[in-house]
Amino acid sequence: SQQGEEDPQALSIQEGENATMNCSYKTSINNLQWYRQNSGRGLVHLILIRSNEREKHSGRLRVTLDTSKKSSSLLITASRAADTASYFCATTRSDNTDKLIFGTGTRLQVFP
Amino acid sequence: SQTIHQWPATLVQPVGSPLSLECTVEGTSNPNLYWYRQAAGRGLQLLFYSVGIGQISSEVPQNLSASRPQDRQFILSSKKLLLSDSGFYLCAWSSLAGGWDTQYFGPGTRLTVL
Repeated sequence: SQQGEEDPQALSIQEGENATMNCSYKTSINNLQWYRQNSGRGLVHLILIRSNEREKHSGRLRVTLDTSKKSSSLLITASRAADTASYFCATTRSDNTDKLIFGTGTRLQVFP
Repeated sequence: SQTIHQWPATLVQPVGSPLSLECTVEGTSNPNLYWYRQAAGRGLQLLFYSVGIGQISSEVPQNLSASRPQDRQFILSSKKLLLSDSGFYLCAWSSLAGGWDTQYFGPGTRLTVL
């Protein structure tokens, strides 16, 4: 079963704008990860944030985690056409750390 | 450096035919291995994972099976494909078990069952 739900399902922006994607989940987690998938390709890991962390940065990426609201956000600043992809959050549940559970994804389109 | 391979890249099979998808990992030992399926425009569904040779955990009861005959080889099989088996199959590996670590994905196999 899927634990994470991304919002919005699809997002279209112009190059240079910021893109924000949200992920909500249902149960307590150990960590949350964000992945990117170009069309028809495998997933690429972007960032991992642990349950005791609130914010993490990696280049133009900023991830926040609010465990009280069971939600996370991924912000891509100064977007580029090459950022066009689907973005997924994935969680590790506290009661079952054997696996990642992926959300449904946000499709981001960045127009040049 | 580690690499993960999947083949074939695309596959078109008739209903009722058998299936064998292969995944191999290079550059690491004793990886945790995963098979996922992704329906069109959807998220990933975990099908099987393995923490060692011959050790397979099944997540979804279905007509698929998995085997790990060697440390860095993971095979997804079916004796008789169904239409609903169509999808994008992704293999992944990680150093640590489950969700404690980054998972590294292969390029995927696009399966169409007609």
